Order: sequence, then C-alpha cells, then structure tokens
Amino acid sequence: ELKVEQNPLFLSMQEGKNYTIYCNYSTTSDRLYWYRQDPGKSLESLFVLLSNGAVKQEGRLMASLDTKARLSTLHITAAVHDLSATYFCAGGGGSQGNLIFGKGTKLSVKP
Amino acid sequence: DTEVTQTPKHLVMGMTNKKSLKCEQHMGHRAMYWYKQKAKKPPELMFVYSYEKLSINESVPSRFSPECPNSSLLNLHLHALQPEDSALYLCASSQVTGWEWEQYFGPGTRLTVT
Repeated sequence: ELKVEQNPLFLSMQEGKNYTIYCNYSTTSDRLYWYRQDPGKSLESLFVLLSNGAVKQEGRLMASLDTKARLSTLHITAAVHDLSATYFCAGGGGSQGNLIFGKGTKLSVKP
Repeated sequence: DTEVTQTPKHLVMGMTNKKSLKCEQHMGHRAMYWYKQKAKKPPELMFVYSYEKLSINESVPSRFSPECPNSSLLNLHLHALQPEDSALYLCASSQVTGWEWEQYFGPGTRLTVT
C-alpha cells in the first residue's frame, strides 16, 4: 500500500522568506494532491498534479511532481502570515484506490 | 455548484445518545466518503459509497453506521459512542471512486462525546 511522507512536519518561517515542503511517496501514484487546512476547518484543495513534470502555481505557492523520484514539492515564495495553515499532500494507491494522506506540515509565518 | 454541505456543524452527545450526521452534494457525484480527523492528524478514511452502495468499510466499529439513501445524500448514524470518538468528521464526494478523481470536502462536523 502507498505510504506518503511529508517533511518537515512543522515549519516556522519569517515573512518574506522562501521555503519548500517535501512529499515523498512509496509506490506509483500518477496523481498527487495538495490541500490546505486552517484550524478547525475543512480541507481546501490547492493543487492537483496530473503527470510527471507537472508544475502549478497559485499566488505564492508552487507545486511540482516528479513521478520518477516519487516526490512532490510545495514551494512557498515570500511567505506572508495568511499562509499559516497545515498543508497535506495525498496520493492514490490505498487498498482500493482511495487517497492516502501525509501527516501534514504545520506552517507558521511570523512577522 | 462545487459544494458539499454538512450538518450539524457542531454536535455534543452523551455516550448513550443516538445522533446522525448528514452530508449532501448536488454535483452529480456517484462516490461519497466519510473521514474522521483527530486533532493534529491527517484525515482517516472510514467509509466509501459508490453508486449508493457501500464499497469500503475501513474496519470501523459498528457504533458508526453509514447510510446512503440516494445519490446526493450520505448519513452517518452514531450510537453508543466513546469519548475517543470525538473528532472532526468530514464528508467528501468525487465523480466516481478512485484516487484519480478529485475529492471535494465538506466543512465538517465537530463531534464531542461526553
């Protein structure tokens, strides 16, 4: 069964800095999802990465997928406080094709 | 309309109570999911319905009983819960089952068992 590992699990950043969250997965997953979750709230879909080499950008967030390396990254550019949240990556490959989530990265952006 | 709705938003229940959570979507999706999320943990899949039939039950205790009365509606019946069942319960839907299809999540029901 697919295993999804995110790192770091906690990330404290200063505003204006850049950083990358990594998502490694153990077996083939041709599709990778990134979600954002604010405290006490539901999951908000950020990116759906469909194929090897896929790159998507929305504002200060950019996600990429390398299926050969089994790696997805979420890059944060010039962080702002509003980006503070928990970010989850998820891949396919559960026992019946369901989503498997990483443990999440709790991002805190400080002035 | 890409919205999944859930009611109630918050629920407090005793261990002897019976209550139900409700989830609704009008996107024409034929797959619906229940997830349980404990604090600071990722969502854990509980049940999957495909074309109104239960297709996955992830070894969930029988005190949780799902029901899919029609293609737009998903219920989770709760009975004799334990305090450790307190969590955020998320409903999601997708076009059909399978990780290839993006899942859309509802706002969740925050359940507290006293």
